[in-house]
Amino acid sequence: EAGVTQFPSHSVIEKGQTVTLRCDPISGHDNLYWYRRVMGKEIKFLLHFVKESKQDESGMPNNRFLAERTGGTYSTLKVQPAELEDSGVYFCASSLQWAATDTQYFGPGTRLTVL
Amino acid sequence: DAKTTQPNSMESNEEEPVHLPCNHSTISGTDYIHWYRQLPSQGPEYVIHGLTSNVNNRMASLAIAEDRKSSTLILHRATLRDAAVYYCILRDQFTGTASKLTFGTGTRLQVTL
Repeated sequence: EAGVTQFPSHSVIEKGQTVTLRCDPISGHDNLYWYRRVMGKEIKFLLHFVKESKQDESGMPNNRFLAERTGGTYSTLKVQPAELEDSGVYFCASSLQWAATDTQYFGPGTRLTVL
Repeated sequence: DAKTTQPNSMESNEEEPVHLPCNHSTISGTDYIHWYRQLPSQGPEYVIHGLTSNVNNRMASLAIAEDRKSSTLILHRATLRDAAVYYCILRDQFTGTASKLTFGTGTRLQVTL
């Protein structure tokens, strides 16, 4: 069974440009999460999808970030326009359910560098 | 969210047991204790979780204090592959925050030959 996959693995862009990160969850997982670790900080929750609906987007830093999950399968996270402080590693995770006992399976992350 | 406190780093020799402590003195009765780890250049991965009783799985054991204010992740025989950052995370089953994992700074485990 394939795990969570993320694309690209690395992205280097100029400040002001747009970047779109993609996440493919484990097949059958209705729950999809985005997290990120920016330089020197802890891994932080961004948002949670249940199928195509945003269940919790309390961690989204500002309106330059747009997450979508059309059709309830893969998800994209767009940053527009990118700023220097957006540099970091963006992780996607998925789970079958979202109870406190459910395991979240993480992808390898996308390393974003904004110059 | 209830907070957890872990040592910044620990060292172990290969093939020896490792006990990774976590303090969570403000834990609520409905908080599950989860452990995840992050190997170098990878995403976090689940290790184990428990509520009140000690738990064992193929990766590790989780020992939970009787008052639940602390817990210990036990790796029975550390290998070089176990070198990672280990995170102790609380998840409340009865609030809307059960879905999000709140990562702290974790414990960086070094394993040497």
